[in-house]
Amino acid sequence: GAGVSQSPRYKVAKRGQDVALRCDPISGHVSLFWYQQALGQGPEFLTYFQNEAQLDKSGLPSDRFFAERPEGSVSTLKIQRTQQEDSAVYLCASSLPLRFRDNEQFFGPGTRLTVL
Amino acid sequence: GDSVTQMEGPVTLSEEAFLTINCTYTATGYPSLFWYVQYPGEGLQLLLKATKADDKGSNKGFEATYRKETTSFHLEKGSVQVSDSAVYFCALRTLQGAQKLVFGQGTRLTINP
Repeated sequence: GAGVSQSPRYKVAKRGQDVALRCDPISGHVSLFWYQQALGQGPEFLTYFQNEAQLDKSGLPSDRFFAERPEGSVSTLKIQRTQQEDSAVYLCASSLPLRFRDNEQFFGPGTRLTVL
Repeated sequence: GDSVTQMEGPVTLSEEAFLTINCTYTATGYPSLFWYVQYPGEGLQLLLKATKADDKGSNKGFEATYRKETTSFHLEKGSVQVSDSAVYFCALRTLQGAQKLVFGQGTRLTINP
């Protein structure tokens, strides 16, 4: 079956521009995570959704970062007024509900954002 | 908070060499532990996992044992191949809340023929 997909795969933005990154999770996966991976580093948690509810946004680095999942499926991560330090790969992952014992997170290919 | 520390890279080995990549963690309780692999140009893939102390995860010839005494989850393979060249990430899944993954910084492995 289809895995997690993300678009665009690459995005170049000028400093100060707004960007929107899309994630299509695996069908039936109610849990959705966003991670940020800086160059040469491991991914770091940004935010978590269960269906349409954003239950944890403790990892969002500033109020310029906003995520939504209005219908409990596709999610969008929006970054306003991008800064150079926002340059990173943004990863989306989805999983079965947390109550399932085998709730492995499946990752998408990521969106590489470069802010000039 | 919870954290993962893994052996710094890059690591370069010859084909058929023995591989160890060290990983230690700090956490409240006993979280599930994972190794993820990122091949060039591809996304993160789960390599193996262990959910409780003394469990051994294994896949594709790789193994790791959950050691609570030393809070470690070292990755090993007896004979590496060129196709194992990738970046390897150790991670734990937190027990509370979102059960997010906390990753180490990654270890780049290059296998020469």
